Order: sequence, then structure tokens, then C-alpha cells
Amino acid sequence: KQEVTQIPAALSVPEGENLVLNCSFTDSAIYNLQWFRQDPGKGLTSLLLIQSSQREQTSGRLNASLDKSSGRSTLYIAASQPGDSATYLCAVKETSGSRLTFGEGTQLTVNP
Amino acid sequence: KAGVTQTPRYLIKTRGQQVTLSCSPISGHRSVSWYQQTPGQGLQFLFEYFSETQRNKGNFPGRFSGRQFSNSRSEMNVSTLELGDSALYLCASSLGPGHGYTFGSGTRLTVV
Repeated sequence: KQEVTQIPAALSVPEGENLVLNCSFTDSAIYNLQWFRQDPGKGLTSLLLIQSSQREQTSGRLNASLDKSSGRSTLYIAASQPGDSATYLCAVKETSGSRLTFGEGTQLTVNP
Repeated sequence: KAGVTQTPRYLIKTRGQQVTLSCSPISGHRSVSWYQQTPGQGLQFLFEYFSETQRNKGNFPGRFSGRQFSNSRSEMNVSTLELGDSALYLCASSLGPGHGYTFGSGTRLTVV
């Protein structure tokens, strides 16, 4: 059974810092991995999608990497801003099925 | 381009009642998935529909059911509501295998 773990569970940083969020998964037979952000009481906003054949994806200040063989992904946020404060979730889609398996998320607070 | 639309946004029901939630996917998306989000269990997969067929089902009791219509709109139904069914129910749509998921804003169900 696929298990997804995100470290740290919570992170508080001053504005302007570069930071890294970690995601690990137990079964490397994945189709792709997707990073989302969730604001309190809201739905999920897709940030980046990495296919299993890719090593990284970039969008603005965000960069996500994927090392399928070691079961790890990282989300790098450059020059963090208070508006980045949210919960960040990673989710893997396995080759054997169509469901997403989510981690518990990292709650990020960026202080002005 | 309209996103994934979920209705209603909020619901309050009494134990023992049943409830129906609706999801309209992005135009052209034929895959619709449902997830339950609670503080204790995180995001858990309920089921996925593709072209009106249920392709995958999560580990939920039979009180949880769903369907998809020919226009790809989907509904999920929960019968004999229990207090533990209180959660944020999220719907996601996708173009299909290899593509990422776009989530709606969710329906907040409170069972009293």
C-alpha cells in the first residue's frame, strides 16, 4: 500500500527566505506526482505536476524535483512571501490505479 | 475557462438523513474523482468515474455511492448519515491518464 509522508508538518519562516518542503513515498511505481496548496477551508490549487519520466518542473518561484528511485520529491519556494502561507500537499498517482494518495501536508507560515 | 464546480458549498444534516453532492467538471474532462478530507484522516479517496463507469473505489462503506452522467457531471450520495461523515468533500476532474487533477472548492458537510 502506497504511503506518502511530508516533512516538516509545520514551518514558520520570515519573509524572503528560500525554503524546501519534502515529500517521500514508499512505492516507486508511480505515474506522476502533483503538488497542491490549500488555503484554510478551501479546495486544492494545483501547483506543479511531474511525470514519472521527468526530474523537475518549474513555475515562477516554485521548483519541484522528483527522484523516483529513492521515492522522494521536494518543493522549493524562492523568496517566500506572506501570500505563500498555506498548507502544501503532495500526491502520487500510482501506475496500478487511478487514485491519488496524499501526504498529510506541510503547514507553511511566512511572517512579514 | 470554468473550473470544477461543486454544489452546495455548505450543508448541515441530521444523523440518519441522506445527502447528495454535485460536481461539474471542467469542460472536456471525462474523469471525476471524489475525496473526503477530515482533520484526523487527511484526504482519502472515495471513488473515480470515467465515461459514466466507476473505475476505482476507496475503502468506504456502502453508504457512500456515486454516479456520473453522460455530460460528465457527477453526484455522490451518502445515506444514513453519521456524525463521523462530517467533512470537506472534494471533487476533482482530469483529462485522463497522464494528466493532473483540478479540484473544486469542496462541499462542507456537517452532520448534527
